[in-house]
Amino acid sequence: DIQMTQSPSSVSASVGDRVTITCRASQHISSWLAWYQQKPGKAPKLLIYAASSLQSGVPSRFSGSGSGTDFTLTITGLQPEDFASYYCQQAHTFPRTFGQGTKVEIK
Amino acid sequence: QVQLVESGGGLVKPGGSLRLSCAASGFTFSDYYMGWVRQAPGKGLEWISHMSNTDTKYYADSVKGRFTISRENAKNSLYLQMNSLRAEDTAIYYCVRVEYYYHRSGYYVDAFDIWGQGTMLTVSS
Repeated sequence: DIQMTQSPSSVSASVGDRVTITCRASQHISSWLAWYQQKPGKAPKLLIYAASSLQSGVPSRFSGSGSGTDFTLTITGLQPEDFASYYCQQAHTFPRTFGQGTKVEIK
Repeated sequence: QVQLVESGGGLVKPGGSLRLSCAASGFTFSDYYMGWVRQAPGKGLEWISHMSNTDTKYYADSVKGRFTISRENAKNSLYLQMNSLRAEDTAIYYCVRVEYYYHRSGYYVDAFDIWGQGTMLTVSS
């Protein structure tokens, strides 16, 4: 199975900050990566697919990059509603696998 | 609007069985692959199963042989039959729609674009 490793596990940031979350795959997955946001008590929401494509309706302050094994999710200008957990997920091979999550907390 | 609504969760004893349902609306259900993702209390997300619109099925090793995914296109419904339940199956179970996006490489890449609100399964004696 492909292991997905996110870092950091948590990050404290302030409104307006730029936040970067990293996801590393244990083997090459091309651009077959998605990012999800999950707020407490809610279902996850798709933010990014194909590593860098923004899902319809998602604010442009979210961006994704990378290919192969190393990927990043960047939030430029953190907003109060962005404090949440974020997960990467590989869509290259079955079983689909998620990273362990990164919690973005208020500093 | 596009919506997925799960039902059927509850409290089950170890070794027991349960069937989850997912009612889809707002889109042509038969055109889409569908799946299930779960989340144990306080933990991360775990993909458990995926089903094509032509009956191809995929399972995580953790549920293979115990869980069965199925669909009834005429009823716009997805199901998850869960047998031989264990304490470690305790989780919120989300129904997901699988969307395929065209990538500039010429391939299609998928992602879970619609999620239900989830239904809780507790396995405990």
